[in-house]
Amino acid sequence: DAEITQSPRHKITETGRQVTLACHQTWNHNNMFWYRQDLGHGLRLIHYSYGVQDTNKGEVSDGYSVSRSNTEDLPLTLESAASSQTSVYFCASSEASSRETQYFGPGTRLLVL
Amino acid sequence: GQSLEQPSEVTAVEGAIVQINCTYQTSGFYGLSWYQQHDGGAPTFLSYNALDGLEETGRFSSFLSRSDSYGYLLLQELQMKDSASYFCAVREGHSGAGSYQLTFGKGTKLSVIP
Repeated sequence: DAEITQSPRHKITETGRQVTLACHQTWNHNNMFWYRQDLGHGLRLIHYSYGVQDTNKGEVSDGYSVSRSNTEDLPLTLESAASSQTSVYFCASSEASSRETQYFGPGTRLLVL
Repeated sequence: GQSLEQPSEVTAVEGAIVQINCTYQTSGFYGLSWYQQHDGGAPTFLSYNALDGLEETGRFSSFLSRSDSYGYLLLQELQMKDSASYFCAVREGHSGAGSYQLTFGKGTKLSVIP
């Protein structure tokens, strides 16, 4: 069955370190998204991609970057981790022709000390 | 930019009906979605409305009024497993072309009590 996976599921790091969160989907979806979820803020869009070599900034992109070298993967990099980036990170994907349905990965809990 | 408003918490009795409202402000509206998220889990898609009216999927229904910038999610015959957070999300579009990213509300935590 097609799926979307994230790794690691839990991560503890120190401020200033570079961290990369992986997202892999086997749906063959063109669209991929990264969100962060914090209490009181719901889901906020960090970056998104509509296809290979395409990346776009979302609402809260400062301090984050993504790259899209193939259809299946959209890794999220925190260039220099900050305590404010402690959060739960969700990756999602959708078909290019889909009106709305995004399929979410299980999430990564990141703690920056 | 977009903004969405929904109640932060709702409590309802098992077997009852509950309605979760969502109002939105957006520069270009394309559709309204609803997602469910259980504690510790990932959001999962429930429904989508692009046109005015009611969409029904089993015990769940979703309504949209584009003229009022308003929608709601209706949950019938509530079960304990419906205790979760529910998010409305707007898909923005301009000139008939929709983008694919969503802007989410902050979520409504539904507690179903016996």
